[in-house]
Amino acid sequence: AQSVTQPDIHITVSEGASLELRCNYSYGATPYLFWYVQSPGQGLQLLLKYFSGDTLVQGIKGFEAEFKRSQSSFNLRKPSVHWSDAAEYFCAVLMEYGNKLVFGAGTILRVKS
Amino acid sequence: DSGVTQTPKHLITATGQRVTLRCSPRSGDLSVYWYQQSLDQGLQFLIQYYNGEERAKGNILERFSAQQFPDLHSELNLSSLELGDSALYFCASSPSGLRTDTQYFGPGTRLTVL
Repeated sequence: AQSVTQPDIHITVSEGASLELRCNYSYGATPYLFWYVQSPGQGLQLLLKYFSGDTLVQGIKGFEAEFKRSQSSFNLRKPSVHWSDAAEYFCAVLMEYGNKLVFGAGTILRVKS
Repeated sequence: DSGVTQTPKHLITATGQRVTLRCSPRSGDLSVYWYQQSLDQGLQFLIQYYNGEERAKGNILERFSAQQFPDLHSELNLSSLELGDSALYFCASSPSGLRTDTQYFGPGTRLTVL
């Protein structure tokens, strides 16, 4: 069955440090992959998406993600984290049926000063 | 601000009751999606509408129903509410039904069933 795994429930990084959030997917065909961010009390905001082409995708707020088919991964990275990046991050894969997004369980990012 | 609006922001009700959640998609968007976010199930797809027609169903309970009106706004009706229905309900919209569309999410309606 199609699924998305985010192995880290919580991650804490220092402000200014680099960040990598892990995402592994299970999907039979070529996946359409997304990273969304949810700040407390807010909806989901799209950070970036991958459909095809260049496997390194640039997004908003200085985030990037790399699609690695051989590892079934789509990890999110940021070279220098800001306190305002503290939020919950969701990786998702788009199903063909209904264009429904299947989300991972999320990773809560804490930023310490 | 995604341009998707949802009302109400918060809803507190009792078990056995019925509620209606409303979603207005971004201007021009034809597709509307409903998702439920709960502590135990995470974010789950419920249902999709495209230009007034149901397009796909996910893990939506029979007690729940939805519709999309000619003006493209959508309503999610939840009936015979149970404690376990307490969750954050998101609406998302996209321009069409294409897979390459981005889904833009509203701020959600937080439902508390007491």
